Amino acid sequence: NAGVTQTPKFQVLKTGQSMTLQCAQDMNHEYMSWYRQDPGMGLRLIHYSVGAGITDQGEVPNGYNVSRSTTEDFPLRLLSAAPSQTSVYFCASSYYRVGLYEQYFGPGTRLTVT
Amino acid sequence: AQTVTQSQPEMSVQEAETVTLSCTYDTSESDYYLFWYKQPPSRQMILVIRQEAYKQQNATENRFSVNFQKAAKSFSLKISDSQLGDAAMYFCAYEWGSQGNLIFGKGTKLSVKP
Repeated sequence: NAGVTQTPKFQVLKTGQSMTLQCAQDMNHEYMSWYRQDPGMGLRLIHYSVGAGITDQGEVPNGYNVSRSTTEDFPLRLLSAAPSQTSVYFCASSYYRVGLYEQYFGPGTRLTVT
Repeated sequence: AQTVTQSQPEMSVQEAETVTLSCTYDTSESDYYLFWYKQPPSRQMILVIRQEAYKQQNATENRFSVNFQKAAKSFSLKISDSQLGDAAMYFCAYEWGSQGNLIFGKGTKLSVKP
């Protein structure tokens, strides 16, 4: 299993540009989520999905769009990039096991918006 | 709302010695999970240890153990026989909701001196 994969690893955008961060998992996990990590901060939840066709907002959803058409993929779209969205983005997937969710994190995407 | 606080931005320990990282949290729930994650310079999020709130026994994983004080809402991580490879950011996290979402503290940067 490749686990959770994210592409690209690095990206530089100009203010106002749009792009999609890709996330895929091959573990057949129902639950997937996106976090962002800013300097001096822990990870904060952007959006999450409990299954194909179902998404919901997390703590910091503004400026981001998600959709979940398949179990494997959960892309994160930046509609009009802003410097405040400069961050490291982590995708995670998880499954429910014995009372808790086992989280698997991807390697992260470092995004810089100039 | 649940919150997670790590009051030590940086800690340092001598190789082979013991260090304790602090974490406090706030919640009105009675049953929940707490985690410690390690993030080395590679950025990969690595689960170190987890604690179920309804279990009074403190979790232990090899050189890593926790001191869980439910009434005080405290969840500290003890690393024994510290190794150079333990140098990393350490994040305390609380699992909330029925989807396994995580709330993270701001992290503690641990340095290990040879």
